[in-house]
Amino acid sequence: EVLLVQSGAEVKMPGESLKISCGASGYRFTSYWIAWVRQVPGKGLEWMGSIYPGDSDTRYSPSFRGRVTISAAKSSSAASLQWSALKASDTAYYYCARMDYTSSWKNVDYLGQGTLVTVSS
Amino acid sequence: QTVVTQEPSLTVSPGGTVTLTCGSSTGGVSRGSFANWFQQKPGQAPRPLIYSTVNRHSWTPSRISGSLLGDKAVLTLSGVQPEDEAEYYCLLYFGDTFVFGPGTKLTVL
Repeated sequence: EVLLVQSGAEVKMPGESLKISCGASGYRFTSYWIAWVRQVPGKGLEWMGSIYPGDSDTRYSPSFRGRVTISAAKSSSAASLQWSALKASDTAYYYCARMDYTSSWKNVDYLGQGTLVTVSS
Repeated sequence: QTVVTQEPSLTVSPGGTVTLTCGSSTGGVSRGSFANWFQQKPGQAPRPLIYSTVNRHSWTPSRISGSLLGDKAVLTLSGVQPEDEAEYYCLLYFGDTFVFGPGTKLTVL
């Protein structure tokens, strides 16, 4: 069974750093992309970027490039999303998602349960 | 800045059929846009329904289908049930990145 289990909710102050994680199980971690999706409460979904753990190829949406860092650890089958200095506007739910990406198809098939990040002074 | 378009809201009667569309500000949607569709209910994570335009996931009911119509990706729900009331999002591929549409709120009434 494919499972993506995300780390728990976080409450941080503006300017603090944060790293949230997404643990994968039930499949070969290095063979699928992991993407991150943001959802501000009450708003729509936003694609942040993705990483291929097999070779660490990482691609960012223009809106998020330079604002977050996506990484993956093959040894622990976990992907991470990291901020160096949070802003109140980073308050949102963050979902990780597995994606099968080839020249013939793009298939987002499993998502984590989401991590709520609250940034407030 | 690429913009993906969807109807803000639609209403359908139980047992009816409804079509949701997904377009692009940069031109027509094609097979190469690899449209994915998601359903999201309040308080839940998005649930994938369709990938690469027409393919259902193993958990997607056969009454839900994806296609292309003109220059848009389309999600069709037939025999709509009350539990289909939800927000529906499309996701399109643009080279190295993907963009979500703003979502369609589907009301079953």
